[in-house]
Formats: sequence, C-alpha cells, structure tokens
Amino acid sequence: EIVLTQSPDTLSLSPGERASLSCRASQSVSSNYLAWYQQKPGQAPRLLIYGASSRATGIPDRFSGSESGTDFTLTISRLELEDFAVYYCHQYGSSLITFGQGTRLESK
Amino acid sequence: EVQLVESGGGLVQPGGSLRLSCAASGFTFSTYWMHWVRQAPGKGLVWVSRIDGDGNTIYADSVKGRFTISRDNAKNTLYLQMSSLRAEDTAVYYCARVIKAGLPLGYWGQGTLVTVSS
Repeated sequence: EIVLTQSPDTLSLSPGERASLSCRASQSVSSNYLAWYQQKPGQAPRLLIYGASSRATGIPDRFSGSESGTDFTLTISRLELEDFAVYYCHQYGSSLITFGQGTRLESK
Repeated sequence: EVQLVESGGGLVQPGGSLRLSCAASGFTFSTYWMHWVRQAPGKGLVWVSRIDGDGNTIYADSVKGRFTISRDNAKNTLYLQMSSLRAEDTAVYYCARVIKAGLPLGYWGQGTLVTVSS
C-alpha cells in the first residue's frame, strides 16, 4: 500500500497569500496518478487536480499541482476566502487507492 | 447529470450488521468501477472497497472479511454489506465513481452516517 504523508497538518495564512501544500508518497506513484481534493465541512470532497498537475473542470487557475519524484505539491497562488478548507492528496495508480491524512488551511 | 445517493446508515450496536445502498443515475452504471470511501467524525478520507463492472472486488485490510461490496446493474445500485461492526467503523460512508478510466474519483454522493455504539 502506498502511504501518502501530507505536510503541514495545519497551515495558517491570510487571503491574498500563496499556499503550498505538500504530499510525499512512500513509493513511486504509477503514471503520476496523484490527485488533490478540497473538502469543506458537511460536503463531499471536490476534485481539484488530477495526474499531478491537470486542473479538473471548472477549477480556477490559481490552483496548480506539481511533482518531483515522490513529492507532490498543491499551490494556491492567491488565497481567497472560499479556499480555506481541508485538502487531501490521493493516489489512484495502484489497486489499493489511498489518501493522505489532510492539510487544514485556515485563515490567520 | 451524474447522481449518487446513499442510504441505509444509522445507529447499530457493536457486532451488528448494516447494509448501505447507493442509487446511481445519469450514467451507464454497469460500465463503471464503483467505490466506497469513509470518513470518521473529524478525521480524513479512507478508501474502503471497490467493485468493477464484472463484480470483481477489492477491500482495505481494515474491513476485509467483514464488509462485502456488491452491485445490481439492473437496479443501478451499489451496496455495502457491513457485519461484525466495531466502534472504529463509525463514519460517513460515501459512494464514489471515477470520472473515467485513468482518472480519479470525481463524483461523490452526499454520504450516509453509520454510528456503531451501544
């Protein structure tokens, strides 16, 4: 099973700032099958990024994803109030798909 | 429009059983792999199980031997039969579908809450 470790657990920033969320995989993720989700309280997860760097339909271009080996990053270029939420990385390249433990992005 | 609607959650005693359902609409259900993902209160997302269009299944170690995923393609419905339930199975259970082959889970239901408590 591929273990995904996200950091930090909590990130406190202000609107307009840049956010960088990290996700490290315990082994190579097949075909860069790494996704990022946003989840707000009481809601199902919303897909932001797939294939490590492709934005899902309707996702603003302030969200971007990148990878370097087994390290993946979600960057939000300029935070808006609606971006404060919990973010999960997710690998779907192996039979046993897994999620990271989440990063809470909170308003400072 | 793709819709996934879970039902069947509730309060159950430790050691008990429960069957969740997920009614699917807006797509050709039989052609898609379907998943169950759960989320304990205040915790993260945890994948539970997957079934392909032919009925082949796979489970997370934490539920193997206790949970059974199945589907009725004629009724466009996904199921999760849960038995020998434990307190740690308490969670919101989501059914989910990939956007398409090679892409991640992109369609989710609203979830159904299962509480295991005496």
